[in-house]
Amino acid sequence: LAKTTQPISMDSYEGQEVNITCSHNNIATNDYITWYQQFPSQGPRFIIQGYKTKVTNEVASLFIPADRKSSTLSLPRVSLSDTAVYYCLLLRDSSASKIIFGSGTRLSIRP
Amino acid sequence: DTAVSQTPKYLVTQMGNDKSIKCEQNLGHDTMYWYKQDSKKFLKIMFSYNNKELIINETVPNRFSPKSPDKAHLNLHINSLELGDSAVYFCASSLTAGGGTDTQYFGPGTRLTVL
Repeated sequence: LAKTTQPISMDSYEGQEVNITCSHNNIATNDYITWYQQFPSQGPRFIIQGYKTKVTNEVASLFIPADRKSSTLSLPRVSLSDTAVYYCLLLRDSSASKIIFGSGTRLSIRP
Repeated sequence: DTAVSQTPKYLVTQMGNDKSIKCEQNLGHDTMYWYKQDSKKFLKIMFSYNNKELIINETVPNRFSPKSPDKAHLNLHINSLELGDSAVYFCASSLTAGGGTDTQYFGPGTRLTVL
C-alpha cells in the first residue's frame, strides 16, 4: 500500500480553521483517501473519505487536487475538543480491507 | 447503545500469565479486527475475521490466539504474557471485509499492563 506523509504535530487556537495536509505521491487508482481521528484514551473514529475533488460533511472538508498526490483535511472553527491525533490513510477498494496507520498528526487546540 | 464494546478496559497482570480480552459488536457487521497500539502510539492490525473465518493474520506471535464464537464476537487470548505485550488493544468491526470504503468502527480499547 502507498505511504502517506503528514506533519507530526500542529497547534492552533479556538475558532480558527485548521488545515492538515497529507502527501501520497504513490497513490493507486483504486485508493481512497480516508481520515480518522483519535482522542486520548479512545479508539480511532472515521471522519471523512474522498476519491477526488472536494468532500464535505458535518465534521470536516476534504480537498483533493486533480493529481491526487496530496489531500487537505480542513476543520472549520476548531474548539478545544478537536484536540486529537488525525490519521491520513489510503484504503484500497479490494478484498480484505486492512488499515495501516502511520504516526498521524497530533493537533493541539489552545484557548 | 455501545456499538463496539471491549472488556476489560484495564488489565494488569504478571509475566507468564494467560489472559483474554473480549469484544462484542451490535452493529450487525460481518467483519471484526484486533489492533495493537504500542507506547509510541503506532496502531497495527493483528487479526481480522469475516463471518467467523480468519482473513487477516499479521506477523503475530503464536501466543496470541483470536477466537470468534459468532460474527458478533471476537475474543483475543494471550498465553505466557511478556513485558512487550503491554499496549492498548483495540477491537474494530466493519460491515464487510471488502473495500476500502468500508468504515471500521473501533471499540474503546483495553489497556494491558504486564508486570
